[in-house]
Amino acid sequence: KNQVEQSPQSLIILEGKNCTLQCNYTVSPFSNLRWYKQDTGRGPVSLTIMTFSENTKSNGRYTATLDADTKQSSLHITASQLSDSASYICVVIPGGYNKLIFGAGTRLAVHP
Amino acid sequence: GAGVSQTPSNKVTEKGKYVELRCDPISGHTALYWYRQSLGQGPEFLIYFQGTGAADDSGLPNDRFFAVRPEGSVSTLKIQRTERGDSAVYLCASSRSGQHTGELFFGEGSRLTVL
Repeated sequence: KNQVEQSPQSLIILEGKNCTLQCNYTVSPFSNLRWYKQDTGRGPVSLTIMTFSENTKSNGRYTATLDADTKQSSLHITASQLSDSASYICVVIPGGYNKLIFGAGTRLAVHP
Repeated sequence: GAGVSQTPSNKVTEKGKYVELRCDPISGHTALYWYRQSLGQGPEFLIYFQGTGAADDSGLPNDRFFAVRPEGSVSTLKIQRTERGDSAVYLCASSRSGQHTGELFFGEGSRLTVL
């Protein structure tokens, strides 16, 4: 069964601090992986995409890593801001197929 | 339009009633998806359209759920004889045809509450 599991389920940090969110997947074959940000009451928005050959990719204060051998990805947020408060969802795309497989997300709260 | 538009944004109905949820995708996007999201969970796949046809409807939970996209643009998700368990946010997304990179553009969702 294809699965995407994320940890922690929720996280509270202080403004300005860094944090790392984890994603483990068992999807095979694997095409690529995306991290989405979902603000409360909004639809998810793509932050970054990782193909199986990429190890690290940055988008501003967001850095995603991928280890295709261990089937793990992480999203690191640097110098957090209040606007980073949201759910972060790891999404895996099986090879050659359009059905995305979503994790349950990590709910991040950044406090002043 | 500039983004994916969904209506209504909120719908409250009684058990047993019929509901229609509408999605207007980004202009030119031939792929359209419906997802359902329960509180604290990630989106759950329902159905995927490529043009007018449903390329994959394996996520529809039962025959009370049906979706159409008659002209390859706007789509309607139809739920018959609603049950309390149908309460969720129904998300629509669109993407350009033929890509498998997983970049979907989501609407803000239709929150359905079945009393």
